[in-house]
Amino acid sequence: DTAVSQTPKYLVTQMGNDKSIKCEQNLGHDTMYWYKQDSKKFLKIMFSYNNKELIINETVPNRFSPKSPDKAHLNLHINSLELGDSAVYFCASSRKGYGGYTFGSGTRLTVV
Amino acid sequence: KQEVTQIPAALSVPEGENLVLNCSFTDSAIYNLQWFRQDPGKGLTSLLLIQSSQREQTSGRLNASLDKSSGRSTLYIAASQPGDSATYLCAVSPNAGNMLTFGGGTRLMVKP
Repeated sequence: DTAVSQTPKYLVTQMGNDKSIKCEQNLGHDTMYWYKQDSKKFLKIMFSYNNKELIINETVPNRFSPKSPDKAHLNLHINSLELGDSAVYFCASSRKGYGGYTFGSGTRLTVV
Repeated sequence: KQEVTQIPAALSVPEGENLVLNCSFTDSAIYNLQWFRQDPGKGLTSLLLIQSSQREQTSGRLNASLDKSSGRSTLYIAASQPGDSATYLCAVSPNAGNMLTFGGGTRLMVKP
């Protein structure tokens, strides 16, 4: 019944590795997002994606890439992980024309 | 560039008090404003969504107001309870289906 689900919940990995975080929503929303919450708890947008358009926050390194196999999924791929990538990553979705958002429970990424 | 500020950053009150959390934003051209709650180590729960044409929204003991022209919103919590202890986040969207800009949050502690 979970509306927006992310896996894994926790991810510990070494510097230089490549990893993916998966996100699925069953709300029928047409837009999905990835947000990053840093150690100071500040939430910042990384990507916004619907079936027509990908909007990238210009501050996001190109090591980060979203991949959407279909409307209900938006996965986040991270290449060559760095210590500074350690954070909590949240997936979210919204319905166009309404604007209300639903967030997943987050993935805590720790790079060692 | 939109900036969202929340004051105070932290607040500690005894149980039963009525309290007000403040949110201000620099660009009044918003589509909506949303208040979220985040419990430690958890995801975000949507509390109230105010469209730009609305002045306020109410849900139970919570009331959120919006003054778009002055770039301000307040979240009023009546008869606070220890279970209200959490971080409250304010976020604005420039248009439907677009990316949220978050404030830094107000960390609320309600003491029994």
